[in-house]
Amino acid sequence: DAGVTQSPTHLIKTRGQQVTLRCSPKSGHDTVSWYQQALGQGPQFIFQYYEEEERQRGNFPDRFSGHQFPNYSSELNVNALLLGDSALYLCASSLLSDTQYFGPGTRLTVL
Amino acid sequence: AQRVTQPEKLLSVFKGAPVELKCNYSYSGSPELFWYVQYSRQRLQLLLRHISRESIKGFTADLNKGETSFHLKKPFAQEEDSAMYYCALSGGFSGSARQLTFGSGTQLTVLP
Repeated sequence: DAGVTQSPTHLIKTRGQQVTLRCSPKSGHDTVSWYQQALGQGPQFIFQYYEEEERQRGNFPDRFSGHQFPNYSSELNVNALLLGDSALYLCASSLLSDTQYFGPGTRLTVL
Repeated sequence: AQRVTQPEKLLSVFKGAPVELKCNYSYSGSPELFWYVQYSRQRLQLLLRHISRESIKGFTADLNKGETSFHLKKPFAQEEDSAMYYCALSGGFSGSARQLTFGSGTQLTVLP
């Protein structure tokens, strides 16, 4: 089991563009959470998906949206990118409310 | 609101010395506390959680509800302990949601 995987590894976008990040959970996990980690900060919760629905959301604007597929994989979409969206985006998977296992992250740079 | 504070951004100790990484939290209910570690060029991984009361790699952490603290301790630091350590809080089970609130992290360097 490769654990949680994320793609792409790095991404460069310009302001105003849209981006989609992808996450495949650890085998057997059904819940996916997304976090944003700005430089020098701890991860900050964006939202969580379970049974293909958004179950809880952190303090992020509607420009951040997501989706979970029947195979439990997930996407994070960010519209109208701002310079401040530059960060490491982490995906974590778990079996419902159990321990969260993190992926390696996607480094997004907005120019 | 839930909040986690790690007062030290950087901490250096010598090999064999005791180490303590501080973590304080703010939460009105009964939280679950975690320590996550990130070694150089590796992903964030769980080190320990307070409900399991385990000792992982010689590290222990005790939840002190009176002082709202969850400090991480190890009696004899090793060079391989050098990493970024994050304290995190989960506000308990709420349906299927269980968001983690992280502190800003402490970079531990163990000197030879």
